[in-house]
Amino acid sequence: NAGVTQTPKFQVLKTGQSMTLQCAQDMNHNSMYWYRQDPGMGLRLIYYSASEGTTDKGEVPNGYNVSRLNKREFSLRLESAAPSQTSVYFCASSGGTAYYGYTFGSGTRLTVV
Amino acid sequence: GQQLNQSPQSMFIQEGEDVSMNCTSSSIFNTWLWYKQDPGEGPVLLIALYKAGELTSNGRLTAQFGITRKDSFLNISASIPSDVGIYFCAGRLGGNRDDKIIFGKGTRLHILP
Repeated sequence: NAGVTQTPKFQVLKTGQSMTLQCAQDMNHNSMYWYRQDPGMGLRLIYYSASEGTTDKGEVPNGYNVSRLNKREFSLRLESAAPSQTSVYFCASSGGTAYYGYTFGSGTRLTVV
Repeated sequence: GQQLNQSPQSMFIQEGEDVSMNCTSSSIFNTWLWYKQDPGEGPVLLIALYKAGELTSNGRLTAQFGITRKDSFLNISASIPSDVGIYFCAGRLGGNRDDKIIFGKGTRLHILP
């Protein structure tokens, strides 16, 4: 049981480049989330998907787009990366029967130069 | 929007000392959660609390759901080096397991040699 898998683990982009962060969960969870973590800022919600086919903005959505490809996969896209998007990105999922929290992936460390 | 005020922001303690941290809000929560994030990893659930006044232990960790439902605390007894990391409180306002969770900004625990 892998839980939440994020790829890649590390990425360096040049300003203006685009990329997609991938996330997949194998726990049959309904809801999936994308967070960014910056020093001193905690976890800030970028986008979330309460169920397959729906997505909603979180606290800091500007500069990002998401796709809930199916129940397992939720991707985050940076169309034109900016240095302010240098951060650690976490995907999470919830909604199973085991407990009421989120299960997080191990993160993607993104640097935009 | 709703906020969780987590304190302290950071702690420097000696190995073997007890640790106490807390989370407060002006909103009433139905679920309180405590997560730990090890360096380079995603947050992992430590303790989940579902009822006001509930006191739950997980090894050397003890957490309580405040009686007013607006706060929670986490205690760690006899700290050891592997306790180093960031501790996040989190709360769920709604009663549905798919309702979003709000995270505090974290308490960073350092253990002095």
